[in-house]
Amino acid sequence: DVKVTQSSRYLVKRTGEKVFLECVQDMDHENMFWYRQDPGLGLRLIYFSYDVKMKEKGDIPEGYSVSREKKERFSLILESASTNQTSMYLCASSILQGNTYEQYFGPGTRLTVT
Amino acid sequence: TQLLEQSPQFLSIQEGENLTVYCNSSSVFSSLQWYRQEPGEGPVLLVTVVTGGEVKKLKRLTFQFGDARKDSSLHITAAQPGDTGLYLCAGERNTPLVFGKGTRLSVIA
Repeated sequence: DVKVTQSSRYLVKRTGEKVFLECVQDMDHENMFWYRQDPGLGLRLIYFSYDVKMKEKGDIPEGYSVSREKKERFSLILESASTNQTSMYLCASSILQGNTYEQYFGPGTRLTVT
Repeated sequence: TQLLEQSPQFLSIQEGENLTVYCNSSSVFSSLQWYRQEPGEGPVLLVTVVTGGEVKKLKRLTFQFGDARKDSSLHITAAQPGDTGLYLCAGERNTPLVFGKGTRLSVIA
């Protein structure tokens, strides 16, 4: 089974702190993604990566950065956390199955910024 | 503008009832995926439909891809409390996937 793990299930940080969210997948997937999920807004794509050291901006990259130094690990960084970044953060990886890309999600990190 | 519209947003039904949720778009997708997300967890892929008109069954769940590959539906027969969760559809055009906002289903025993 594909396993996508995230470093923390719950995290509480203060405004202005630098926050690192780590994601690791164990199935050699090329593609990795970071989303945030908020009530009424659905899943919104922050950043994604198709290869090591590669990154692409998603729909809402402002206030975030990412790092992918190894294929299995994709990190999301909040340079200076703000209260409007309180959210559920979901990491995913994907692989081509036949003609389609199937996405596998981690359990999520619920981040609260106070 | 939301590329994929899901309806209804919320649905609360009694155990044993049937239901259908919809995923609609004005855009054509090469495939459509359905995920279920339980509280406090990440979404889990249920099924992928690829061909226009395709129907796939997963126990009591029936998924259909529209003939024009612009829409999809999920029908649940005899819903159980274990079906409770957020159902998300996701369309594939060019990667990455485009997600709808989901239908939150509550099945009451």
